[in-house]
Formats: sequence, C-alpha cells, structure tokens
Amino acid sequence: SYVLTQPPSVSVAPGQTARISCGGNNIRYKTVHWYQQRPGQAPVVVVHDDSDRPSGIPERFSGSNSGDTATLTISRVEAGDEADYYCQVWDSSSDPNWEFGGGTKLTVL
Amino acid sequence: QVHLVQSGPEVRRPGASVRVSCKASGYTFTNYGISWVRQAPGQGLEWMGWISTYNGDATYAQNLRGRVAMTIDASTSTVYMDLRSLRSDDTAVYYCALPAASGTGYFDYWGQGTLVTVSS
Repeated sequence: SYVLTQPPSVSVAPGQTARISCGGNNIRYKTVHWYQQRPGQAPVVVVHDDSDRPSGIPERFSGSNSGDTATLTISRVEAGDEADYYCQVWDSSSDPNWEFGGGTKLTVL
Repeated sequence: QVHLVQSGPEVRRPGASVRVSCKASGYTFTNYGISWVRQAPGQGLEWMGWISTYNGDATYAQNLRGRVAMTIDASTSTVYMDLRSLRSDDTAVYYCALPAASGTGYFDYWGQGTLVTVSS
C-alpha cells in the first residue's frame, strides 16, 4: 500500500497562513486531493487534483504537489477553518485503490 | 442535485452482522460506482471498498476481505454494505461516497454517515 504521512496537528493564529503537509514516496507522480471535516460532519473536498478548488471553496484554500510532499495552504486563516484535514490519493492499480492520510487537526489559536 | 441518503444507526453484538444502505438520487445511478469509507471514533478515514453500480463488481480493502460485501439494487438506486463477524473495533461511522465524474479519484458527494456500534 501507499503510505501518506500528515502531521497530527497544526496551529495558527487568525489571519496567518496554515500549511498542512502530506508526505509520500514520489507523491509528485500522484494526484492529491484534500478534505475538510468538521466535527460530526462528513468530509468535504476543498482541493482536488493537486490544486483545483471546487466551486464554493474560498480562494484562501490552495494546494501544491512536488517531490515527496503535497501541501494544503490556507491563507488568512479564520476561526471557521478549524477542522480536521485529510489528504487522499487514488490509484486503480494499487491496493487499496483509495488511500487517505492520517489527518491533521488544524487549531486556530 | 445529487443526494446520498444512508440508513440509520445500528447497534450489534460482537460476532453479529450489519447492513448499511445508501440510496442515491439526482444522477444516473449506473454511471458511477460508489465507495464506502469508515471512521472509528477519534480516528481517520479508512477506505473499505468500491462497487460498480453498472455490473455489481466490487473491490475491497485487503484488511476487510472475507468480512465485507457490497451489493446494489439498481431498481431502487441503492447500494448496500454488509459487514459480518463484527468486532468492537468495527465501531465507526460508515459513509458511502461518490467519486467525481472526472475520474481522478476524489469523492465529491458523501452520505450523512451511519454510526455502527459493536458492543456486548
């Protein structure tokens, strides 16, 4: 299986920039997606295909992918951004086909 | 508008089985397969498997093979996930999720989740 490694927690003050990493062997060759999950709710995709944003997701959310690390960047962090964030990749030839990172708890100080 | 509506919470004894349903609407059911993802309390997301809603072919996560089965009822646009020989560590919220039409492997629609509690 393909292992995705995320830091358990990231803390940032309101208005600052949060960066959440997702490490994987040659992850640059994978397509990475990011989800936000608030307590008691289903995950919501905030960035897909490395850096694309679904409609309705603020421009403050952006993604990048190079080398062995993909990164979700949240600019001008707001209190409402406090949530768990998961990276995810898909490979039809791997087992499992879908893989999630362990998740990162974003705390807004 | 796409909707995935799941069945209600379940409580089971260890060793029992459970069935969770996911009724899809708002799109052509047979065009896109559906995955199941679970989340144990306080833990991360775990992909369980995927089923083709076109022909019912399924693929399962290795750690669940032999205990999980996914089926479809195309007449009602419903997908079922059966998990047997339940253990306490199967206690989790179970989600059905629809991969995006783009085919790049992200889930753009999720059910509301079904809590399955396994306890003696």
